[in-house]
Amino acid sequence: AQSVTQLGSHVSVSEGALVLLRCNYSSSVPPYLFWYVQYPNQGLQLLLKYTSAATLVKGINGFEAEFKKSETSFHLTKPSAHMSDAAEYFCAVRTGWKLSFGAGTTVTVRA
Amino acid sequence: DAGITQSPRYKITETGRQVTLMCHQTWSHSYMFWYRQDLGHGLRLIYYSAAADITDKGEVPDGYVVSRSKTENFPLTLESATRSQTSVYFCASKTGDGNGELFFGEGSRLTVL
Repeated sequence: AQSVTQLGSHVSVSEGALVLLRCNYSSSVPPYLFWYVQYPNQGLQLLLKYTSAATLVKGINGFEAEFKKSETSFHLTKPSAHMSDAAEYFCAVRTGWKLSFGAGTTVTVRA
Repeated sequence: DAGITQSPRYKITETGRQVTLMCHQTWSHSYMFWYRQDLGHGLRLIYYSAAADITDKGEVPDGYVVSRSKTENFPLTLESATRSQTSVYFCASKTGDGNGELFFGEGSRLTVL
């Protein structure tokens, strides 16, 4: 079964600093990968998805992720953190109709 | 408004009681899912459904029952609630497109005493 591993359950960044969230996948075939964000007391919403059309994927709110097959990674970045980026972020991989999620990374942003 | 709604949003119950969490979507999406979210585990799939009257188990189905008599509804029932089922439950739906986005409800927070 395909799976994803998120490195680091918690990341703290200063406002204006780079945000880097790590995700590695295990898959024997080209995967379909996603990043979702969850704000407090809300459901998850899609940030971006990789579907093999391009290795660098741009999402909403200034986030982007790069698919690196050689490293089996799909790390999420944002050049300059904003206070509103404080949330929990989930990497996910599609298996058939289903999505399997990583354990999540909580981002806090320091003023 | 169109969307996916869950009810109740908050529920406290006692061990052994039956609880049903409701999920309703207005998009006529083919697929619907139930996940539970627990600290350190992310989201784990409980059950999913590809269409009305078609359901299948996910990673953690024990102790749960689902049905889907209508496309728009996908209730999740805990037949005899246990403390280990204290969690936040999320319903989601998607179109039949393989890479279609999952749309999530706002969650139902269940506490089993």
